[in-house]
Amino acid sequence: VQLQESGPGLVKPSETLSLTCTVSGYSIGNGYYWGWIRQPPGKGLEWVGSIFHSGHTYDKSSLKSRLTMSIDTSTNQFSLKLYSVTAADTAVYFCARVARYSGTYSGAFDIWGQGKAVIVSS
Amino acid sequence: DIQMAQSPSSLSASVGDRVTITCQASQDISNFLNWYQQKPGKAPKLVIYDASNLETGVPSRFSGSGSGTDFTFTITSLQPEDIATYYCQQYDDPSPTFGPGTKVDIK
Repeated sequence: VQLQESGPGLVKPSETLSLTCTVSGYSIGNGYYWGWIRQPPGKGLEWVGSIFHSGHTYDKSSLKSRLTMSIDTSTNQFSLKLYSVTAADTAVYFCARVARYSGTYSGAFDIWGQGKAVIVSS
Repeated sequence: DIQMAQSPSSLSASVGDRVTITCQASQDISNFLNWYQQKPGKAPKLVIYDASNLETGVPSRFSGSGSGTDFTFTITSLQPEDIATYYCQQYDDPSPTFGPGTKVDIK
């Protein structure tokens, strides 16, 4: 299973950051939760949100009003839209799979994309 | 959100040394604690899940222990390829949170 992020690397302040994660080697309609994690330059990891194959989402509360996640099983992709961005949203954005052990979701992220650097700047 | 603290923030050790990192949660998270290794410019890699389970393919020199609020991550014999930043992550709360990281390098 492989994940690959794609989208613009530069977004203007107040505009919308849009990223897509393409999954290969597994049909996302068959299950699993999928997540987004970001990492500002030189800083630690921050969970952004997770989405189930059914479309049910869990969002970081501080981002909830600006965040939309979606999943498209026909293209084997899931996406993130973050509205009204500021410089504080500058980060490497990773997509990842939530692990499942013995059929139970663990909350660990076991497979990651390589990351997409997004800069918010005019 | 549950807050995660890690210590130390950085350490230097010699090849072959035993390295220990601690992680403390702001409230009881049972064993819902994972550890990741991140090398510069790379995505994090899952090392330990559910506090003490070694992810498939990870060398046995890595281990984890603990439950409740206090957790420990150990490298029994540090190798040059272990140079990285290590993060703990809780998922007891519906909002997973990560610790601030521990940077490990070679003395």
